[in-house]
Amino acid sequence: DAGITQSPRHKVTETGTPVTLRCHQTENHRYMYWYRQDPGHGLRLIHYSYGVKDTDKGEVSDGYSVSRSKTEDFLLTLESATSSQTSVYFCAISESQDNQPQHFGDGTRLSIL
Amino acid sequence: SQKIEQNSEALNIQEGKTATLTCNYTNYSPAYLQWYRQDPGRGPVFLLLIRENEKEKRKERLKVTFDTTLKQSLFHITASQPADSATYLCAPPSGGYQKVTFGTGTKLQVIP
Repeated sequence: DAGITQSPRHKVTETGTPVTLRCHQTENHRYMYWYRQDPGHGLRLIHYSYGVKDTDKGEVSDGYSVSRSKTEDFLLTLESATSSQTSVYFCAISESQDNQPQHFGDGTRLSIL
Repeated sequence: SQKIEQNSEALNIQEGKTATLTCNYTNYSPAYLQWYRQDPGRGPVFLLLIRENEKEKRKERLKVTFDTTLKQSLFHITASQPADSATYLCAPPSGGYQKVTFGTGTKLQVIP
């Protein structure tokens, strides 16, 4: 299994609080991604990174920000959590050569009350 | 806009039979397509990639076909086992940086 660790694995918090999720990889892969997965919607890309300090928005980026200060770490921040952001969040990594697959962490289950 | 459709209904089959899952796409022509497996509470796991110039790709009991005319990929599991029960996702590319767009997946249940 690819060396990807997501933390925390579970979190319950209140509306309006800031939340940061961490993705740590030991594979030295260049690309990293944050997804959310909701029933009926499948996996949707929130933000991605194509190198240290290089990030861009995905299809559902509103309300989220990311940072990547080191190759191995990709942080996802909800500045002011809302109940609509209750979801399961997955981090993925990929090598930069053409047609490489993504390798996923085991997810963070986030509940916002 | 690009659209990916997988059977949203669960597929139940008897152990030993061949399971066939469908992935249809519209409004674009992907150069390749990936298939992933997802177990409950886990992240997706990559299974196979098929390129547009490949009609068929095999890996052990898995077979994937890619019909660019029909805009469809079929995923087959032969001699299915209860351990094959999972949700299967298709994922064509969606721009640079190895980005893909995931279908909503088809849940497969193999009945002993």
